[in-house]
Amino acid sequence: AQKITQTQPGMFVQEKEAVTLDCTYDTSDQSYGLFWYKQPSSGEMIFLIYQGSYDEQNATEGRYSLNFQKARKSANLVISASQLGDSAMYFCAGLSGGYNKLIFGAGTRLAVHP
Amino acid sequence: GAVVSQHPSWVICKSGTSVKIECRSLDFQATTMFWYRQFPKQSLMLMATSNEGSKATYEQGVEKDKFLINHASLTLSTLTVTSAHPEDSSFYICSARVGEMGTDTQYFGPGTRLTVL
Repeated sequence: AQKITQTQPGMFVQEKEAVTLDCTYDTSDQSYGLFWYKQPSSGEMIFLIYQGSYDEQNATEGRYSLNFQKARKSANLVISASQLGDSAMYFCAGLSGGYNKLIFGAGTRLAVHP
Repeated sequence: GAVVSQHPSWVICKSGTSVKIECRSLDFQATTMFWYRQFPKQSLMLMATSNEGSKATYEQGVEKDKFLINHASLTLSTLTVTSAHPEDSSFYICSARVGEMGTDTQYFGPGTRLTVL
């Protein structure tokens, strides 16, 4: 993906509720991959989930799932049953440059309230 | 598995000095590692791709003589910021790709916060 767009600078959600973080991508490649990473205040980047363009089913990893809509070029992250520890920056990223480089979106800051 | 470490976690240095940051893959071998820079409240920007046994590939606008990258082994890449200046102050993060394929996941180190006085 040559460009990743995250239009939500910040999101609030009540604990135990689900939240969707938006991500759209722009690519001319037929084969590509999309990733979501979480960055808490400590700064580390934590891999959450991956979706390949040819994957027929939406990726899921525990409470994380990816709502992949190829025609709309969107790969939204859904976090179910939000927890206080989910408060962090979330980055959507796509592979570019012959799949050798990750291009990151601007990020969405998620705040989970008790 | 797939643990990447960075050292140091943070460093403060005087303007004009050089700083070396190490990135290690602890439980896997990484042919390819990546170096990113992140300014406050901004996203990650790829600086360079580090390939074991060959020269790094730098992104446009990144000075290769200022940011020296060495990938001497399959588990270690180093970034040296030469003659650092206050504008080089940033959060530097490395990542290592688990497999050989471009679609393989990149795992990130915890980052190094550099402050140049």
